[in-house]
Amino acid sequence: DQQVKQNSPSLSVQEGRISILNCDYTNSMFDYFLWYKKYPAEGPTFLISISSIKDKNEDGRFTVFLNKSAKHLSLHIVPSQPGDSAVYFCAASAYYNTDKLIFGTGTRLQVFP
Amino acid sequence: SAVISQKPSRDICQRGTSLTIQCQVDSQVTMMFWYRQQPGQSLTLIATANQGSEATYESGFVIDKFPISRPNLTFSTLTVSNMSPEDSSIYLCSAHQDAGINEKLFFGSGTQLSVL
Repeated sequence: DQQVKQNSPSLSVQEGRISILNCDYTNSMFDYFLWYKKYPAEGPTFLISISSIKDKNEDGRFTVFLNKSAKHLSLHIVPSQPGDSAVYFCAASAYYNTDKLIFGTGTRLQVFP
Repeated sequence: SAVISQKPSRDICQRGTSLTIQCQVDSQVTMMFWYRQQPGQSLTLIATANQGSEATYESGFVIDKFPISRPNLTFSTLTVSNMSPEDSSIYLCSAHQDAGINEKLFFGSGTQLSVL
């Protein structure tokens, strides 16, 4: 039972353009959502998060949008840079177990010049 | 931010053998976790490593197969026992510095395990 889904295994975007990575979830108890970024041979690193009380959180070039009614969140990267090329994981946790993160399968983003 | 050193970074093992993965954090952390990422799959939590007590395992994972130690607040080991090819995965150690604050979940670089 995949509670967090990233249906696009890969995405290719030209440098300077917007990258949009999508994530869907099924558990209505999830109230906190995170994006992690992973380079090859490295562990995932935290990128940005959003609480269910918000519908948008922005940090520099990165913005996460949350649509609770659709159980959908997205990560926007503007403008995209070649250094953004990595695997992006969406993760979620529920208020009753904040230490347990449920991860999606990841989306490999490639930003080309 | 905490730095997590994990070793070995990769290993190739024979069926039926066991491998112990070590995780060292450069500062004391409240909680440590072990994750597995099978090919094409998401990161799946194996267990929470509790300092001074038995680990807490997630559904589908058992202590006999994945014994875990956590002797202090900076170190933990995960053993993959009696390995089979299905155990071929990336194993990741992670840690919290502040309980319940998910932003501060740090990860090691992972152990790429291949079982022949």
